Amino acid sequence: QKEVEQNSGPLSVPEGAIASLNCTYSDRGSQSFFWYRQYSGKSPELIMSIYSNGDKEDGRFTAQLNKASQYVSLLIRDSQPSDSATYLCAVSENTGNQFYFGTGTSLTVIP
Amino acid sequence: SQTIHQWPATLVQPVGSPLSLECTVEGTSNPNLYWYRQAAGRGLQLLFYSVGIGQISSEVPQNLSASRPQDRQFILSSKKLLLSDSGFYLCAWSADRVQETQYFGPGTRLLVL
Repeated sequence: QKEVEQNSGPLSVPEGAIASLNCTYSDRGSQSFFWYRQYSGKSPELIMSIYSNGDKEDGRFTAQLNKASQYVSLLIRDSQPSDSATYLCAVSENTGNQFYFGTGTSLTVIP
Repeated sequence: SQTIHQWPATLVQPVGSPLSLECTVEGTSNPNLYWYRQAAGRGLQLLFYSVGIGQISSEVPQNLSASRPQDRQFILSSKKLLLSDSGFYLCAWSADRVQETQYFGPGTRLLVL
């Protein structure tokens, strides 16, 4: 059973703060890792992908991967109210490109 | 650029009625295609995926079926809907390459009454 675990939240941060979202996964064969953002009533949209250990930065977003600890995180700097959404972590072995999703963390950025 | 379409956007159906949801992808060939369901307040459940025409893999036994009659068309069907089939149905595609991202369509919200 391949499991992807996320704290469901809700996570609340004030505007301008750093939001930290965490994800752990059970399958050591996992090779690709993704963060999606899902606004209420909408479909998930990709924020970032990461494949190697370490940090990957894209604008206000930083993904961090530690394969030894089976842990991937997403940092959102200078959080904005528009960042309020549910963030989904997804993991893939690459074989057949099957993704395994966490249940998501709900983030609220308070103005 | 690639675009993924789903229809209808919203559907209200009585228990026991049939279902047909359609997904099409533009701007790519031989994509991998996926059907997910997201129940209210729940995570994404993979229902079916397809790596080519006529090739369907089922992840969860249920009263749903899927077909891929054309390269960029993926259809989700049911002969008799159950109350538990209510949810948000999402179609996704990825390129047929390693480490490829999945991209989601706009989704179909289904309410079975």
